[in-house]
Amino acid sequence: GAVVSQHPSRVICKSGTSVKIECRSLDFQATTMFWYRQFPKQSLMLMATSNEGSKATYEQGVEKDKFLINHASLTLSTLTVTSAHPEDSSFYICSARRTGANTEAFFGQGTRLTVV
Amino acid sequence: DAKTTQPPSMDCAEGRAANLPCNHSTISGNEYVYWYRQIHSQGPQYIIHGLKNNETNEMASLIITEDRKSSTLILPHATLRDTAVYYCIVRVPYTGTASKLTFGTGTRLQVTL
Repeated sequence: GAVVSQHPSRVICKSGTSVKIECRSLDFQATTMFWYRQFPKQSLMLMATSNEGSKATYEQGVEKDKFLINHASLTLSTLTVTSAHPEDSSFYICSARRTGANTEAFFGQGTRLTVV
Repeated sequence: DAKTTQPPSMDCAEGRAANLPCNHSTISGNEYVYWYRQIHSQGPQYIIHGLKNNETNEMASLIITEDRKSSTLILPHATLRDTAVYYCIVRVPYTGTASKLTFGTGTRLQVTL
């Protein structure tokens, strides 16, 4: 199957700093990528839809100024958690799919963010 | 997208078939059934999807009832590495930015020796 790579896999940062997470589709182009967040023992919650060349679409309750998304190319989307707080500590996962009406989504391996 | 209902947890002995049910009684005519699984601390992994015919691939089989209101994912010979949370998702075919996946709570499958 297609490969979606996230980097870093783990990151620890201090409160008040910003952290950037990268999501790359390695062997296909993705006009749309998705960012999820998952707290312990909970399901994945969609945060936003990242659209290449345009603004991201955020789900209700997700602060767009805090979670900055950039999708500058067909193979790369980035999520920046700005002014991180301990409550932002979570597992962040991206996904992407090939262009087509009925193709499955592929997920990155996730990024474990810990804010101290 | 139609809502799905799955049992919160199931156990299966290694080597036996694991049958994971999913109810999707409000499914629409053009909605597909997708299955993903998530092994602990990893991103979800695609397993299989179907519309109304039964489907089989190297990982699993998907059985969809004739009325399409429920389905069963079958792992024919479960191994310890199949221990994961399995998500059943129902949605229309991907079309542009409407192609997001909505995850429910899934079924936690524990494969035991």
